[in-house]
Amino acid sequence: DGGITQSPKYLFRKEGQNVTLSCEQNLNHDAMYWYRQDPGQGLRLIYYSQIVNDFQKGDIAEGYSVSREKKESFPLTVTSAQKNPTAFYLCASSTRGDQPQHFGDGTRLSIL
Amino acid sequence: GNSVTQMEGPVTLSEEAFLTINCTYTATGYPSLFWYVQYPGEGLQLLLKATKADDKGSNKGFEATYRKETTSFHLEKGSVQVSDSAVYFCALSDRTGNQFYFGTGTSLTVIP
Repeated sequence: DGGITQSPKYLFRKEGQNVTLSCEQNLNHDAMYWYRQDPGQGLRLIYYSQIVNDFQKGDIAEGYSVSREKKESFPLTVTSAQKNPTAFYLCASSTRGDQPQHFGDGTRLSIL
Repeated sequence: GNSVTQMEGPVTLSEEAFLTINCTYTATGYPSLFWYVQYPGEGLQLLLKATKADDKGSNKGFEATYRKETTSFHLEKGSVQVSDSAVYFCALSDRTGNQFYFGTGTSLTVIP
């Protein structure tokens, strides 16, 4: 079945540590996105990529980094510069920027 | 610019009550409109869509009609169930700008 896989489902970060969240899709979509969702809040765009080897900052990119070396993969690194990383992170993909986005099941990140 | 405005939540209804969640939009051009649903601890799923004025999207008993004259896309269901408890997001796509916009989400709780 085609879809988006995020891993791990739960992740814990120690102070000063970088962690990487995985996002893989087999939908052959060109565009991929990372969102952050805080409790009771909407979605905030962190980074997006419309094509391999290219990506743009969203509204809250500080403290995060991404890469897009393969069409299928768009990993997100939460760096130690992100002082409040506890949140639910959602990855999405679409055929192009104006098409409906398909979402993974999310990764919940907490600080130890 | 483009934007989506949803009614503030949370919304609490008794089982079998009628549901309306308001959504209005601002757009240049002729957007497509969408409703997504997010069940607890999961990613967003596309619920329904409408691509032009007067289109009605429907799925799982939910309906929404694209009203260009009132720039609205209100979500309705005649008789809600406990299993409909979720967060609902209105969204808009802008073909010209090749972008997708989400509302802030409305939380619905249905009590038996």
